Amino acid sequence: GQQVMQIPQYQHVQEGEDFTTYCNSSTTLSNIQWYKQRPGGHPVFLIQLVKSGEVKKQKRLTFQFGEAKKNSSLHITATQTTDVGTYFCAALTGTASKLTFGTGTRLQVTL
Amino acid sequence: DAGITQSPRHKVTETGTPVTLRCHQTENHRYMYWYRQDPGHGLRLIHYSYGVKDTDKGEVSDGYSVSRSKTEDFLLTLESATSSQTSVYFCAITGLADGEQYFGPGTRLTVT
Repeated sequence: GQQVMQIPQYQHVQEGEDFTTYCNSSTTLSNIQWYKQRPGGHPVFLIQLVKSGEVKKQKRLTFQFGEAKKNSSLHITATQTTDVGTYFCAALTGTASKLTFGTGTRLQVTL
Repeated sequence: DAGITQSPRHKVTETGTPVTLRCHQTENHRYMYWYRQDPGHGLRLIHYSYGVKDTDKGEVSDGYSVSRSKTEDFLLTLESATSSQTSVYFCAITGLADGEQYFGPGTRLTVT
């Protein structure tokens, strides 16, 4: 089945530093979604990218979809402690809106 | 949130006992999903439903069964729980557009 690889698994930054997580697939994706899960919480949908080369921004978060639609990234500028959590990418797979999730990147932010 | 509840929220059970987890939605969505989340594995799809009495297997379905007799309820059953099924289980539904999913609060299951 389809696999979506995500790196790094973990990153620890000082508040104010930037952070990036990458998502890669060996196959062309129809779309890519990003989710955030706070510690002890449930995944929450952030955004969906559909078009080749698409870039979307949400405040300090920038999401990109690669030109070949095989990779994606999430970049956070000037991290804050509220950014702590695990970020997952997910690719639409087959029918019934099924998703294949990446393994996630856990972000820790300290003062 | 998208009107999704899960019950129970926490459960400890013994190996070999049956366990049923319930997912309830108030949004009348067609698609519902059960995932398990384990360290290092992210979220893995167990089973999903695309309508009442219409279900299918996901990536890690062995040892699990599901039922959906009403639009609002999706049940996940472990017929004979094993320690490898200790996990956090999330239910999800598909939103109104583009396939983004909305998750319930999760059920933490421990099999001793």
